[in-house]
Amino acid sequence: AQKITQTQPGMFVQEKEAVTLDCTYDTSDPSYGLFWYKQPSSGEMIFLIYQGSYDQQNATEGRYSLNFQKARKSANLVISASQLGDSAMYFCAMREGLLKLTFGTGTRLTIIP
Amino acid sequence: DSGVTQTPKHLITATGQRVTLRCSPRSGDLSVYWYQQSLDQGLQFLIQYYNGEERAKGNILERFSAQQFPDLHSELNLSSLELGDSALYFCASSPGGGVSSPLHFGNGTRLTVT
Repeated sequence: AQKITQTQPGMFVQEKEAVTLDCTYDTSDPSYGLFWYKQPSSGEMIFLIYQGSYDQQNATEGRYSLNFQKARKSANLVISASQLGDSAMYFCAMREGLLKLTFGTGTRLTIIP
Repeated sequence: DSGVTQTPKHLITATGQRVTLRCSPRSGDLSVYWYQQSLDQGLQFLIQYYNGEERAKGNILERFSAQQFPDLHSELNLSSLELGDSALYFCASSPGGGVSSPLHFGNGTRLTVT
């Protein structure tokens, strides 16, 4: 079974609008971390935001926020006031224990001027 | 800048050859991870080292090997290369292995096997 599922292969959003990228996860470990990464066309992987399984509040980092719904096992990324520079691939990832990050298949976001 | 350095940036080689990819982790980071990103497979975990010791293995082929040296830099060796090995290879590092530690990625080495 997939540990991380991103169901939106691609999204088109008008500049300045908010966008939500979906991510669901599957784990039986009570302690885990959820991460979002951005990969622009230049190829580098940029860490955006982190949410811990025990965190009571949703994580926020500037224009990025993580809508964490533990019971639904979802960790959606919300980007407010989108900009042209937000066009990129976005990956959701999960870390369990001391192990590696497991990545979803990604969502390609295109911001339309 | 993530602080993780990967060399070379690009590598073009022929089938059957052997290459070495090098990674210097962020200062203070003890864990190094290698990932392969190909168009049809997404980001696949290959192997993890922690302070010189192998910690976890993923979908790493027997033709591939890696090590982490006492100065914490790491090398990924790919041998008997096949066309299907063409991919972007990432190294990432983190301070330890806690769930709250993000991995910081290098810019990757783009390998093209012809």
